[in-house]
Amino acid sequence: ETGVTQSPTHLIKTRGQQVTLRCSSQSGHNTVSWYQQALGQGPQFIFQYYREEENGRGNFPPRFSGLQFPNYSSELNVNALELDDSALYLCASSLEAGGLSYEQYFGPGTRLTVT
Amino acid sequence: AQKITQTQPGMFVQEKEAVTLDCTYDTSDPSYGLFWYKQPSSGEMIFLIYQGSYDQQNATEGRYSLNFQKARKSANLVISASQLGDSAMYFCAMREGDSGGYQKVTFGTGTKLQVIP
Repeated sequence: ETGVTQSPTHLIKTRGQQVTLRCSSQSGHNTVSWYQQALGQGPQFIFQYYREEENGRGNFPPRFSGLQFPNYSSELNVNALELDDSALYLCASSLEAGGLSYEQYFGPGTRLTVT
Repeated sequence: AQKITQTQPGMFVQEKEAVTLDCTYDTSDPSYGLFWYKQPSSGEMIFLIYQGSYDQQNATEGRYSLNFQKARKSANLVISASQLGDSAMYFCAMREGDSGGYQKVTFGTGTKLQVIP
């Protein structure tokens, strides 16, 4: 069973730039959630994708957007980067089945630094 | 009100001793799930244990057990026989709602556990 993978592991960007982070979900999982974890804090929910559609979103502005592909892998895109976007971005996959979901399994994260 | 409250920013425990990490939650949804995760300094969030709101018995996974007290809205993690490798941040999290497949998960602020030799 393949676990959740994320790329890249580290990234440095300049304020105002755009970034794309990638996530491959665990085998058999059809749902991907993205989280932002600032230093010293717990993860904050950004949004969730289920069967290629966004079906839930936290308190993040529209410049945070995403995609899910037919193979259930996912991308997180952030436009117009701000210094406060510096964080660890975590992707988690789970299996949704008829309204019930199971445990989320996280990837190793992408550490984004905005200068 | 905070959805998930972890009141212990840091804890110390002697190796081979048991330790309890506290977690209280707040929800009006009758259907929810509670999770505990371990996050070592490497950053990866490791799933430890899950308790559903309708589960009659406390969840256990090896050295981890979840002391679920529904009326008190608490879901404390008990680690038995602590090992040096248990030193990490521990997060309690809650999933609310299961209609339409949307499952928002809210995390607490975490407890930093340090195991002393």
